[in-house]
Amino acid sequence: TQLLEQSPQFLSIQEGENLTVYCNSSSVFSSLQWYRQEPGEGPVLLVTVVTGGEVKKLKRLTFQFGDARKDSSLHITAAQPGDTGLYLCAGGRRSNDYKLSFGAGTTVTVRA
Amino acid sequence: DTGVSQDPRHKITKRGQNVTFRCDPISEHNRLYWYRQTLGQGPEFLTYFQNEAQLEKSRLLSDRFSAERPKGSFSTLEIQRTEQGDSAMYLCASSLLGVSYEQFFGPGTRLTVL
Repeated sequence: TQLLEQSPQFLSIQEGENLTVYCNSSSVFSSLQWYRQEPGEGPVLLVTVVTGGEVKKLKRLTFQFGDARKDSSLHITAAQPGDTGLYLCAGGRRSNDYKLSFGAGTTVTVRA
Repeated sequence: DTGVSQDPRHKITKRGQNVTFRCDPISEHNRLYWYRQTLGQGPEFLTYFQNEAQLEKSRLLSDRFSAERPKGSFSTLEIQRTEQGDSAMYLCASSLLGVSYEQFFGPGTRLTVL
């Protein structure tokens, strides 16, 4: 059972469209990371959020941490084929020594 | 800084054989983690080290699995008497406790047990 639930599981959109991926949990996290993973490779860290309500922007990517630190979202504006990949959210808790619990991931495909 | 490296990248073995994987963390990172990822799932925690001390082993890690970090630098993960259910991507990550809790992953070792 995944501690973090991601939705949707799959997302296929046309280049130029926007998309949002959600990461939800019933547990509170001290920090939440978003990773992108390509087939046959390890996850690459995109961002870390630690404060409830925090919003971080990375070029066309916007990450938000929920006020209660139980959920997060990733929004991509004007998606490009290079955004294609598996997006994973992972939460860490200070009480658990920051070991990461991952969601199952959202597979994003951006068609040219 | 060359990032986290893992060797080999791919391993195909027959059921019952032993395999060993190596992870070299980012230099001076004192925390090292092992995760396992199966198809369609996110990585699952297996074990982690602070310097050379193994702090925790997940219940996922059966007695056939052993991990070491003898000098607090690289780490090895050994699986004895492999089973088909061991087929997965084995990921290593490192972090610098006291500076950041962010974990940086290596490229993984893909194990296939025939």
